[in-house]
Amino acid sequence: ETGVTQTPRHLVMGMTNKKSLKCEQHLGHNAMYWYKQSAKKPLELMFVYSLEERVENNSVPSRFSPECPNSSHLFLHLHTLQPEDSALYLCASSPLGPGLAIETQYFGPGTRLLVL
Amino acid sequence: GQNIDQPTEMTATEGAIVQINCTYQTSGFNGLFWYQQHAGEAPTFLSYNVLDGLEEKGRFSSFLSRSKGYSYLLLKELQMKDSASYLCAVLDSNYQLIWGAGTKLIIKP
Repeated sequence: ETGVTQTPRHLVMGMTNKKSLKCEQHLGHNAMYWYKQSAKKPLELMFVYSLEERVENNSVPSRFSPECPNSSHLFLHLHTLQPEDSALYLCASSPLGPGLAIETQYFGPGTRLLVL
Repeated sequence: GQNIDQPTEMTATEGAIVQINCTYQTSGFNGLFWYQQHAGEAPTFLSYNVLDGLEEKGRFSSFLSRSKGYSYLLLKELQMKDSASYLCAVLDSNYQLIWGAGTKLIIKP
């Protein structure tokens, strides 16, 4: 039991579509993260939110737009994606957030995205 | 630049022992994590090392040598359910996690 849920688990979209990924954490954590995981590549940190404020944005293209309405929910809005954006998108949470403490991140199962 | 290296894939036999290595070059060091990720599932925390030496947790052990920039994960009495990817990650001086690409471990009967 992970405590972090993600929907949908699988998504196929065309390059002109708009879709959103949802993440919810039930752990009472203050920080939430979006990662991109591509085959045989390290996890790429995309966005970090701490107490609903974005604290890090690692030069992610504007076709990815995050939203954090509260500390339990995180969204990733997608529009006009490219085929190279096909990957597993993982959400994670941690008690405090980066730079504040040594802490473990708790991951959701991910959304497998395919862009055609 | 910052870099984490681990083998892409390893194969081992059920009941045997396997060692997955991780070498790192990072800006500072505040500890090293190992995560396990089954196919299609969330990465889950296995271990955290910040001091040199071996930490044992059941069938799994993790070793760290800070002077060598080296860690390994040791899995004993391998079971089929241990087939998964194992991710190494280092917490740098800014408490940012630097991830390796993961090692896919295949267990054969």
